[in-house]
Amino acid sequence: SYELAQPPSVSVSPGQTAAITCSGDALAKQYTSWYQQKPGQAPILVIFRDNERPSGIPARFSGSISGTTVTLTIADVQAEDEAHYYCQTADRSATWAFGGGTVLTVL
Amino acid sequence: QVQLVQSGAEVRKPGASVKVSCKALGYTFASYAIHWVRQAPGQRPEWLGWINTATGSTKFSEKFQDRVTFSRDTSASTAYMELSSLRSEDTAVFYCARCDYSRGHFDYWGQGSRVTVSS
Repeated sequence: SYELAQPPSVSVSPGQTAAITCSGDALAKQYTSWYQQKPGQAPILVIFRDNERPSGIPARFSGSISGTTVTLTIADVQAEDEAHYYCQTADRSATWAFGGGTVLTVL
Repeated sequence: QVQLVQSGAEVRKPGASVKVSCKALGYTFASYAIHWVRQAPGQRPEWLGWINTATGSTKFSEKFQDRVTFSRDTSASTAYMELSSLRSEDTAVFYCARCDYSRGHFDYWGQGSRVTVSS
């Protein structure tokens, strides 16, 4: 198994930019996805293949990678963006894992 | 449109088994894998494994490989997850999720099935 480390929490004011990181050795070799989860709901895919956005996800959401750290960036944060965010990747043995999650608070 | 519709909430006693279903709608069932994820209250999602819906082959997380079974009924476009030897720590919401065979992301998720293990 392998670990993906995320900060437990990130807080920003509306209109500011939030950056959520995810670190792990596997990330240098495999693509990372990001999911948004609101209380009582199933996760929703917001970024895949490090920096691609599914249809229907606002352009405010973007992803990037540098070495073994991937970053989810949310520009012009809205109140509706308040949620838990999880990174996810798979290793070469086809085993998937999720990061510990980051709660985004919109002040 | 694409939907994954899961079976309802279940309550089981410790030591029992539970089987959760996941019916796929709006796409060709065998064209995508189905993954299973568990999420205990206040915890991160935890990957259980996946099933190749075309061939029936499976792969499990080491943590669950002795207790979990995946199956599918292609005629009903439905995947199943059975977890045995339940303990209180298995109390969680179980999700199925669709995954393209050539990619690693879960683009659609079921609504979740809550399993409560209590004596």
